[in-house]
Order: sequence, then C-alpha cells, then structure tokens
Amino acid sequence: DAKTTQPNSMESNEEEPVHLPCNHSTISGTDYIHWYRQLPSQGPEYVIHGLTSNVNNRMASLAIAEDRKSSTLILHRATLRDAAVYYCIVMDSNYQLIWGAGTKLIIKP
Amino acid sequence: AAGVIQSPRHLIKEKRETATLKCYPIPRHDTVYWYQQGPGQDPQFLISFYEKMQSDKGSIPDRFSAQQFSDYHSELNMSSLELGDSALYFCASSPRWPGGGDTQYFGPGTRLTVL
Repeated sequence: DAKTTQPNSMESNEEEPVHLPCNHSTISGTDYIHWYRQLPSQGPEYVIHGLTSNVNNRMASLAIAEDRKSSTLILHRATLRDAAVYYCIVMDSNYQLIWGAGTKLIIKP
Repeated sequence: AAGVIQSPRHLIKEKRETATLKCYPIPRHDTVYWYQQGPGQDPQFLISFYEKMQSDKGSIPDRFSAQQFSDYHSELNMSSLELGDSALYFCASSPRWPGGGDTQYFGPGTRLTVL
C-alpha cells in the first residue's frame, strides 16, 4: 500500500493562504490522492481529490507534482473554522483509504 | 442534502457484552465502509461492502462481523466486547464507479464505551 508522510502540525494566521504538503513516493500510477479533514469530535470530511492534474473546488486546491510523488493542499484564505487535522490519503485499487497521521492545522486569529 | 446516518450516537456496554452499530448510507450510494478510531488515533479501516457483498477487509477482529442489507444499510456486530474496543466507529458511503476516485462521505460516528 502506498504510504503518505505529512508534517505533524502547522500554524497559520487567519485570512492567509495555507499550503499543506504531503509525500507519497510509493504511489502507483492508478492511485488517487485524497484529502480529508477532521474537526474535533466530528466525522472526517472530504476536501478534494485528484489523479494527475491540479484540481480546484470551493474548499481548496490540490497541486500534484509532475512525478506524483508529492502533493500540496492549498487553502486560499484560512479561517478559524479550518482548524482541523488534515489527512493526505492514497486510495488504492480496492477503494480503501489508508490513513496516515495527518497534519494538525492551527489557525491563529 | 441527505447525509450518512449512524445509530446509536453513543453506546455504553460492559465487557463481554455484544453491540450492534447501524449505518444508513446516502441514498443511491451502494458502497459502505466501516472505520474505527481509538482515542487520539487515526481512523483504521475495518471492512467495506459493495452491492451487499463484502468487498474488502482491513483490521477487523474476528469478534466483529458486518453485513449490508438489501436496502443498503449496514450493521456492524461486535461480540465479547473488550475495553480496547472503546472508540469512535465511523461509517462512510460512496457511489462506486469504475476507475476509482470515489469520494467517501462520513457519518457523525458512534461513540462506543466499554466498561
């Protein structure tokens, strides 16, 4: 199974962009890159996913390296409500999400 | 929009008892996943079902079993409960389509406490 590596925690100021990095050097050609986040005491929430091209949605942008060994989740303007644990996950061909430790994002007012 | 429903939201059991957790997926979602999240831990995949058949198995103990019914809801049955089974249990559903990339939509979870 492809594994992901993320920083344990990151801090950012409110209203500023946040770039959350993720390494997935063992990813295979058909594995999708997913990002989920989990707010305290809540179920995980889908953020974005992609395969090869950069992706944008109303929540975030996903920048995928050309060799697909890394990706970056971009929150364009972080708010206090974005404080959560962000998980970078590679979904394998069995549609299984293999969770890593995630990055705890702290937003400072 | 309809979300994944889990019941009960909280459950307290004694050691060696049994528990049944229920999950009602989003309408027209045919795939259900179960996850266990211990205190301070990351979610761990337990088992998944696609079109009422088990599609994949993760770190699910033999004491646990699960199934998906004709209306696509799923139940996780846990027997001989141990203290270590105390955790949040999440259910997720997704619409399956060929080629991967499924988005999983999570329910609010069931908090199981074993005393």
